[in-house]
Amino acid sequence: EADIYQTPRYLVIGTGKKITLECSQTMGHDKMYWYQQDPGMELHLIHYSYGVNSTEKGDLSSESTVSRIRTEHFPLTLESARPSHTSQYLCASRTGGRETQYFGPGTRLLVL
Amino acid sequence: SQQGEEDPQALSIQEGENATMNCSYKTSINNLQWYRQNSGRGLVHLILIRSNEREKHSGRLRVTLDTSKKSSSLLITASRAADTASYFCATYDNYGQNFVFGPGTRLSVLP
Repeated sequence: EADIYQTPRYLVIGTGKKITLECSQTMGHDKMYWYQQDPGMELHLIHYSYGVNSTEKGDLSSESTVSRIRTEHFPLTLESARPSHTSQYLCASRTGGRETQYFGPGTRLLVL
Repeated sequence: SQQGEEDPQALSIQEGENATMNCSYKTSINNLQWYRQNSGRGLVHLILIRSNEREKHSGRLRVTLDTSKKSSSLLITASRAADTASYFCATYDNYGQNFVFGPGTRLSVLP
């Protein structure tokens, strides 16, 4: 099992609420990623970071924001949740010199 | 644009049979990786094959790579019910920076 954690695992929330999805890894990886995945579908990269204070938007436009203040922590925030944000969010990390990417267990978000 | 694409989209087989899934990609690669995702979970790395390799084995997994056809295949031999999962191939994006995952093959192994 990879040492990468996501909380909460499941979240049901009403429209307009602000939420933060947490992701932490204890492997000292410099690169971290957020993907959005609808059930049984492909992964879409929404944010990534190559190190502290480095964040970039991914291929899929997202209304979420991220921060990277500490190496091990890469939270994702939705300022105002909408039903269209309902999805699974996967966090991943890897070191710059390694090609294997490690994934957290995911957060399943349902916005009513 | 999507770099990798698996087929079939879904595959259903009996326990003990072999499962083969394919991945096609568009640009030059240094390596190609396969990942497995159990329902409701994150992805787990299975195997990596480099561009100068043609075949690689790991337990019941056999991966082939044909760079001239820009394709790879993953063979799972003597499948088990526990192999039921989605399988994704991954390559680097056009900038060689981040991984791009295909849409996956959903494998069901029936007891």
